[in-house]
Amino acid sequence: AQKVTQTQTSISVMEKTTVTMDCVYETRDSSYFLFWYKQTASGEIVFLIRQDSYKKENATEGHYSLNFQKPKSSIGLIITATQIEDSAVYFCAMRNQGGSAKLIFGEGTKLTVSS
Amino acid sequence: VTLLEQNPRWRLVPRGQAVNLRCILKNSQYPWMSWYQQDLQKQLQWLFTLRSPGDKEVKSLPGADYLATRVTDTELRLQVANMSQGRTLYCTCSADRVGNTLYFGEGSRLIVV
Repeated sequence: AQKVTQTQTSISVMEKTTVTMDCVYETRDSSYFLFWYKQTASGEIVFLIRQDSYKKENATEGHYSLNFQKPKSSIGLIITATQIEDSAVYFCAMRNQGGSAKLIFGEGTKLTVSS
Repeated sequence: VTLLEQNPRWRLVPRGQAVNLRCILKNSQYPWMSWYQQDLQKQLQWLFTLRSPGDKEVKSLPGADYLATRVTDTELRLQVANMSQGRTLYCTCSADRVGNTLYFGEGSRLIVV
């Protein structure tokens, strides 16, 4: 069975610090794709960053980066120099190579950034 | 750049009444369109992926029944019936069905009254 788990329900940090959000996944497929999305208070869901399972190098995108540990089935999201506007719910998701355009989502982690 | 336009953005739905949602694709480079639901606990769940005009699928989940239709290359519809709990429906698009990134519409929030 395919599953994505985010154990951190909520995290609070001070502005300009670095935060890491955890995500572990389960899949029997040898090739898969991992994503992080951000949902703002308005409900908008925005794509942030992705990691393809066959790539060894951790993905980076602006002040977002990933900590991909394939043997541990783990894909952590790192946000550096956090800003108030980063306050949102962050979802980890997995997509397998076959089948429909189906993403399996984790439960989400609510991030609050304070000044 | 907005890839998807969803309407209505929100709707009050009397218990037992069906509601029809529309999603319009603004960029033909992302033709794989899907529906996702987000429940009141914020859990996101895939419902359907429809690629070709004329494709239809039905599904029943706890709290609602769904009928999805790919009307044209740019329009996807969803009928939600027998809804007992509120939810938000999101339309997504992707360049393919294999591994490309999914992009989300703004969502249609349904509230049961």
